[in-house]
This record gives sequence, C-alpha cells and structure tokens, in this order.
Amino acid sequence: EPEVTQTPSHQVTQMGQEVILRCVPISNHLYFYWYRQILGQKVEFLVSFYNNEISEKSEIFDDQFSVERPDGSNFTLKIRSTKLEDSAMYFCASRASGETQYFGPGTRLLVL
Amino acid sequence: GENVEQHPSTLSVQEGDSAVIKCTYSDSASNYFPWYKQELGKGPQLIIDIRSNVGEKKDQRIAVTLNKTAKHFSLHITETQPEDSAVYFCAASMDNFNKFYFGSGTKLNVKP
Repeated sequence: EPEVTQTPSHQVTQMGQEVILRCVPISNHLYFYWYRQILGQKVEFLVSFYNNEISEKSEIFDDQFSVERPDGSNFTLKIRSTKLEDSAMYFCASRASGETQYFGPGTRLLVL
Repeated sequence: GENVEQHPSTLSVQEGDSAVIKCTYSDSASNYFPWYKQELGKGPQLIIDIRSNVGEKKDQRIAVTLNKTAKHFSLHITETQPEDSAVYFCAASMDNFNKFYFGSGTKLNVKP
C-alpha cells in the first residue's frame, strides 16, 4: 500500500540554523500539507499546497517557513532560522481529490 | 477559528470491553470528521470518518456517531483488543478539506 515517507526521522540543530524537512507524498496525490505537534500539545496545521502554490497557511507559518515541491516527488518544509520553540514533531500529509489526508511518520526536530 | 475538544485524555479498559472517546467542535461550518490512530513511532492513520450528512457510520468493531445540533461526535470501539492500544485523535474540517483541526488526543490502553 502506498504511503507518505519523511526524512530524516530525527533532526537536531542549533538555534539560528536552517533546516529542511523532506517528504515524499503518495504518487498520484495533488494536495500536500505540513502539520506540527509540540510535545504534549495538539497537532496543528501549518500549510497546505496545491498546484505549486500555497493554498492556505496558519498564523504559525510566518516568514521563517517556506515550502517547495522541487521536483515531481518531493515536498519540503524549510525553516530559515530555527528557534527553540520550533522543536516539535513535523508531519507531512497528502491527499488525492477526496477528503482523506494520509500522514507520514513524522520528523522529530530538536532545536538546541 | 474552529476549536476541537477531546475527552478523555487517557482511557484504560479491559480487553473485550468497549471504549468511547468524545469530541466537540465549535464551528457549525465543519462538515467532515475523521478519526486517526497513532501508534508509537508512526504517523496518524485514518481509521474511520464521517460526513455531516450522516449520523452514524460503522466499520466492523469501530463506529462513529455525529450529533450536528450539539456539535459533538464520538468514536466507539467494541470488543477491544490489546492492539487497539494507541493514541486516538479526532479532527474536524470544512468543505475544502484543506485544514484539519485536531483534538488533543486520547491515549487508549487495553489491558489483556
């Protein structure tokens, strides 16, 4: 069964450094998402992406964040200058034309 | 914006018993309600979902009920098994399915 994959599974970085989180959505899916979950808190929506542009973003998704689909398979989330409060589990999700979003296993980001 | 509340935060049941997890939502425009199961080290996996034009949906041991008037929906698991032990999340979404609002999660422990 096709699944969403994410790399790396864990990332440790120093405050102020740039990180890129990578996702490979399910191959025939058209809509792509990033969510994050700070330890002990709810899963929060960050951004949705369709047809090579952002379709919706949350207040969390400020100028420090960007997304890109550099080729036909990858979907990336970049954090330009990480802060301590960016430490979280980041989930990528994708969906076809229906309503179901399929989630990847997540990348645990720790900012020191 | 939408706010989804989920109860209880932890639930411990004996194998074979039923488990019920409840969620409420605030925005009457929400019309799609998925439930996700998250096992340790994995991303959320969809287990069942319901649209607002339906009051109940069942899939083997799992059922979801929706009360649009009261703005609440519930997950029912019958004949629980140890492999049902996981964290369960409810979510709500509006027509474009572009953004999911998640509950805070319920950690279900099924004791053998």
